[in-house]
Amino acid sequence: DIQMTQSPSTLSASVGDRVRITCRASQSISRWLAWYQQKPGKAPRLLIYKASTLESGVPSRFSGSGSGTEFTLTISSLQPDDVATYYCQQYNSYPYTFGQGTKLEIK
Amino acid sequence: QVHLVQSGAEVKKPGSLVRVSCTASGDTFNSYVISWVRQAPGQGLEWMGGIIPISGITKYAQRFQDRVTITADKSTRTAYMNLNSLTSEDTAVYYCARQLPNALTWFDPWGQGTLVTVSS
Repeated sequence: DIQMTQSPSTLSASVGDRVRITCRASQSISRWLAWYQQKPGKAPRLLIYKASTLESGVPSRFSGSGSGTEFTLTISSLQPDDVATYYCQQYNSYPYTFGQGTKLEIK
Repeated sequence: QVHLVQSGAEVKKPGSLVRVSCTASGDTFNSYVISWVRQAPGQGLEWMGGIIPISGITKYAQRFQDRVTITADKSTRTAYMNLNSLTSEDTAVYYCARQLPNALTWFDPWGQGTLVTVSS
């Protein structure tokens, strides 16, 4: 199975900050990576697929980059509504696997 | 735009079976993939398996292979996930989610989740 490792596990930042979350795959997954946002008590929401394609309706302050084994989710200017846990997911091969999550908080 | 609605919360005894349903509305159901992902309390996301309703072809994660069965009823646009031999470690929120027809893709959208509690 492909292991996905996110860092950091918890991130505290101020409104307006630029925030970066990293996701590393245990082997190359090309660009077959998605990012999700999950708020407490809610289902995950797709933000980005194919490593950098923004899902329709997602604010443009979210962006994704990377390929191979290293990927980044960037929020260009943190907003209070962005408080959530973020997960990466590989779909290069079965079984689909997720990172352990990054909990984003406002300072 | 597709919308996935899941069945309600369940409380089950250890050793029993649970069935969770996921009904699709608003878009083509049959040719997509419906997958199941679970999330234990305070934990991350874990893919269990999926089905292509039009063909009935299924794919399971190896760790659930012996205990999970995923089926679909095309006439009612409903997918089902059966998990047997429940233990307390199966206490989790179970989500269904749609994937594009070529299967190896992202999950979007997701159902609202179904809490399954396993307790004696």
